[in-house]
Formats: sequence, structure tokens, C-alpha cells
Amino acid sequence: DAKTTQPTSMDCAEGRAANLPCNHSTISGNEYVYWYRQIHSQGPQYIIHGLKNNETNEMASLIITEDRKSSTLILPHATLRDTAVYYCIVRVTSNSGYALNFGKGTSLLVTP
Amino acid sequence: EPEVTQTPSHQVTQMGQEVILRCVPISNHLYFYWYRQILGQKVEFLVSFYNNEISEKSEIFDDQFSVERPDGSNFTLKIRSTKLEDSAMYFCASCAADTQYFGPGTRLTVL
Repeated sequence: DAKTTQPTSMDCAEGRAANLPCNHSTISGNEYVYWYRQIHSQGPQYIIHGLKNNETNEMASLIITEDRKSSTLILPHATLRDTAVYYCIVRVTSNSGYALNFGKGTSLLVTP
Repeated sequence: EPEVTQTPSHQVTQMGQEVILRCVPISNHLYFYWYRQILGQKVEFLVSFYNNEISEKSEIFDDQFSVERPDGSNFTLKIRSTKLEDSAMYFCASCAADTQYFGPGTRLTVL
């Protein structure tokens, strides 16, 4: 799997957009970009994933650069409950199942 | 909204004892997984399970570990003889197509 690089930590003011970057310069053509988050030792929570087009759901937006070497997760209006560790994971999906390789992620602190 | 459930939420055991951690995956999912997270460390993949057999496992998943789907709903992780270093949060996940959904975890404490 391609390796990802994320900042160790970020701050964001409540109500503002949180933009979390991820570099995956060695990504292959068939690898997807997944984002999960983990709130204080709870189970990882799926946020969003994409291949090359930008994606949006009720939680967030995912912007993938045209060369696919980096992406940004956007939480449009961060709340205190969005304080968590955010993981960017690159993985091929296959019929035989796949393991998610969690790195250290970005610790996002949303402040009042 | 369907979700993965795990029991117990916290298990305390003595070193050398066997433990079984239980998971109920989301009902129409076909792929099942176990991960663990030692306190302060990364979430680590242990094993994936599909069509009643292991499809992938990590180096952590040695002979002390086994998985089973004993009926149509439960998915279990057994640790045969626990060690102190097995103390961790254990997360179950399930997947229908391309997205894994995680349970809340079982905190295992080995004394």
C-alpha cells in the first residue's frame, strides 16, 4: 500500500472549516483514499473515501488533486465533537477483503 | 442505522487464561476483521475472514489467536493463553463491499 504523510496535529476554531491534508505521492492507479477518525479510543469511524473525483457526504468533503498525490479532508463547520485523530489511508479494495493500515494520523483539536 | 456490536466492553483476565471476544457484524456484511490497539499506539490489523476462512493475517496473529464464526451472526476472536502484552483495545469490523465499519471495541486487561 502507498504510504501516507499527515501533520501530527492541527487546531481549528469551532464553526470554522477544518482542512486536513494528506500526502500519498506513491499512490497507484487502483488505490483509493480513505479517511477514518477515532475519538478517544472509541472504534475508528468511517468518514469518506474516493478514487480520483472529489467526494462529499453528510460528514465531510474529500478533495483529491488531479495527480492523486495528495488529498484534503474538509469538515465544513467543525464542532467540539470533531476533536479526534484523523487517519488518511490508501488501499486497494479487492474481493478477498483488505486490511486498513492505520498510521499515526492527525490529532485535530477543535477549540471554542 | 445498523452497527457492529462487541461484547464484553471490558474483560479482565489472568495471564495464561483463555479469552473469547465477541462481535456481531452488520447483518448483510460478508467480510470480517479484528484489529487491536495497545494503549497509546496505532491501530493494528490482526486478521480478516471471508467465506468461513481466514483471508489475510498479520504477523501479530500467531498460533495463540484464532477466529471463528460459530453461527450466522457472531464472529469471535480467541486468545488461547493470554500474555501481559495482549492487553489492548480489540476492535471488530465488518464490510459489505468496500468500506469497513468498526465496533466500539473490547478493552482487554491481562494481569
